[in-house]
Amino acid sequence: GAVVSQHPSWVICKSGTSVKIECRSLDFQATTMFWYRQFPKQSLMLMATSNEGSKATYEQGVEKDKFLINHASLTLSTLTVTSAHPEDSSFYICSARDMYVGGNTEAFFGQGTRLTVV
Amino acid sequence: GENVEQHPSTLSVQEGDSAVIKCTYSDSASNYFPWYKQELGKGPQLIIDIRSNVGEKKDQRIAVTLNKTAKHFSLHITETQPEDSAVYFCAAKGGYSSASKIIFGSGTRLSIRP
Repeated sequence: GAVVSQHPSWVICKSGTSVKIECRSLDFQATTMFWYRQFPKQSLMLMATSNEGSKATYEQGVEKDKFLINHASLTLSTLTVTSAHPEDSSFYICSARDMYVGGNTEAFFGQGTRLTVV
Repeated sequence: GENVEQHPSTLSVQEGDSAVIKCTYSDSASNYFPWYKQELGKGPQLIIDIRSNVGEKKDQRIAVTLNKTAKHFSLHITETQPEDSAVYFCAAKGGYSSASKIIFGSGTRLSIRP
């Protein structure tokens, strides 16, 4: 199946610094990618929809200035957590669907990035 | 927006027995219902999906049923094995474009007792 790769798999950063997480579709193109956050023993909560060449669409309650999303190409979306704080520590997961296959098909998920802010 | 509820939150079954996880959704426009298995520290992996024009789908030991009228869908795992232990999420999606959002249920932690 298609592969979505996230980098890094884990990162530890100091409070107040910014961290960038990359999401790449390795063998397909995606005009839209999705970013989720998952706290321990909880479900995946959709944070935002990343749109290639345009602004991301954020879910209610998600600070767009804190979680910067850039979808510069059909295979890459980045999530930057700015001025990170310990409460931002979480598991961040991206997802994408092949733009040429159609809507009701499998969405592929990355392996996730565990962010720990100390 | 769509709301997906999932039960139970935890489930323990004897190896070889069946496991059933149930979900309900709120948006009658939802038309695609995937199920994901997530192992510790990893992203979710699709195990089976069903579209709204189908009532049941089976893939070896895994089956999913969908009742559109009641807005219920369920996952059935038969002949459970230790490697089935994981967290399972149901999800729902409305719309037909690749940009349509997938909304997840709260998850079920399945444990298989040897």
